[in-house]
Amino acid sequence: GQNIDQPTEMTATEGAIVQINCTYQTSGFNGLFWYQQHAGEAPTFLSYNVLDGLEEKGRFSSFLSRSKGYSYLLLKELQMKDSASYLCAVGDSNYQLIWGAGTKLIIKP
Amino acid sequence: IAGITQAPTSQILAAGRRMTLRCTQDMRHNAMYWYRQDLGLGLRLIHYSNTAGTTGKGEVPDGYSVSRANTDDFPLTLASAVPSQTSVYFCASSVVAGMETQYFGPGTRLLVL
Repeated sequence: GQNIDQPTEMTATEGAIVQINCTYQTSGFNGLFWYQQHAGEAPTFLSYNVLDGLEEKGRFSSFLSRSKGYSYLLLKELQMKDSASYLCAVGDSNYQLIWGAGTKLIIKP
Repeated sequence: IAGITQAPTSQILAAGRRMTLRCTQDMRHNAMYWYRQDLGLGLRLIHYSNTAGTTGKGEVPDGYSVSRANTDDFPLTLASAVPSQTSVYFCASSVVAGMETQYFGPGTRLLVL
């Protein structure tokens, strides 16, 4: 079966760095997305990785290792507004997204 | 309007009733999607449409139907609602089908009693 695993919840301190991991087992691989979802709102796009390596975008970076079926999202200089759920999604062989359940990130002052 | 809109924002529905969730986008995106989001589970694809006039089944299509008569609108119909269809429903769109960024509507919160 297809499976995306992420930690359910993480806590970090304002100004710190946090790494949210995602491991996947899917029928085929056509890229990996990270989305941010604030409580009660719609998911919004953060990053897309299709090749191995690190993609940096401001305070957010995303890493992919296809051989390990592994990705992480790195958030630097955490702000209170970063409190949200972070969703990992993988494109399968049919180019449909398989979504993880999301990681709820709690930022403490 | 700009982006994707969904209606209604929320709804309480008696089991057995028919309900249509509306979704409209003004970005001229070719592909559109319907997902449901349940606590502790990832977003699950119900139906999708790669282009106007075509639709396809996702992971959890049973009990739902869709149509795509034009580019902008992609309604989702529950023919006879059941309590297990209580969920948050998100409509999304992307420029084309495939590995493209999906843009989500604000969601419809549906409670079936």
